[in-house]
Amino acid sequence: DQQVKQNSPSLSVQEGRISILNCDYTNSMFDYFLWYKKYPAEGPTFLISISSIKDKNEDGRFTVFLNKSAKHLSLHIVPSQPGDSAVYFCAASGRGGSNYKLTFGKGTLLTVNP
Amino acid sequence: NAGVTQTPKFQVLKTGQSMTLQCAQDMNHEYMSWYRQDPGMGLRLIHYSVGAGITDQGEVPNGYNVSRSTTEDFPLRLLSAAPSQTSVYFCASRGTGGGNEKLFFGSGTQLSVL
Repeated sequence: DQQVKQNSPSLSVQEGRISILNCDYTNSMFDYFLWYKKYPAEGPTFLISISSIKDKNEDGRFTVFLNKSAKHLSLHIVPSQPGDSAVYFCAASGRGGSNYKLTFGKGTLLTVNP
Repeated sequence: NAGVTQTPKFQVLKTGQSMTLQCAQDMNHEYMSWYRQDPGMGLRLIHYSVGAGITDQGEVPNGYNVSRSTTEDFPLRLLSAAPSQTSVYFCASRGTGGGNEKLFFGSGTQLSVL
């Protein structure tokens, strides 16, 4: 049973426009959410995160929105650049005890066209 | 500034062979983990450890063994390789204090089992 879902395997946008990547989760115990970016032949790298006590976190061109009631989060990239072309993974974790595991979605391949 | 180091980068095995994928981190992280990435499957947790001498199973542990004798190292052993274990393997670590949810990944090991 997939607890973190990224239903769009791929997304293509024009340079300068907004990219919106979506993620849904089913486990109500998740309270911390992260986005990772992965280029081919490299390991995933951390991009941005959000705690469940917030509904928005912004870092430069990247903003993550969290809707707890809908169990949905999204990553907005504005403006999109060709260098943003990569696979983006949504991940979630719970807190408390030794619950340090991150559960990942299947990823969304973003292509930004010049 | 090494971070998480994985060796080897590439490996080809025959069915039934054994091997160990090495992982070392120099950030004094208590938590270490192994993921595998397969097309259309995202990142799936194999095994993890919350400290020296403590290991536990993740989502897909069958066919893999781990041990954690030091804080720095977390090797992944394949005792009898199978074609289904052809994948890209990532080691990752993080701290376990508050605000340390971000995982740091190695650059990966691409394994082919023939």
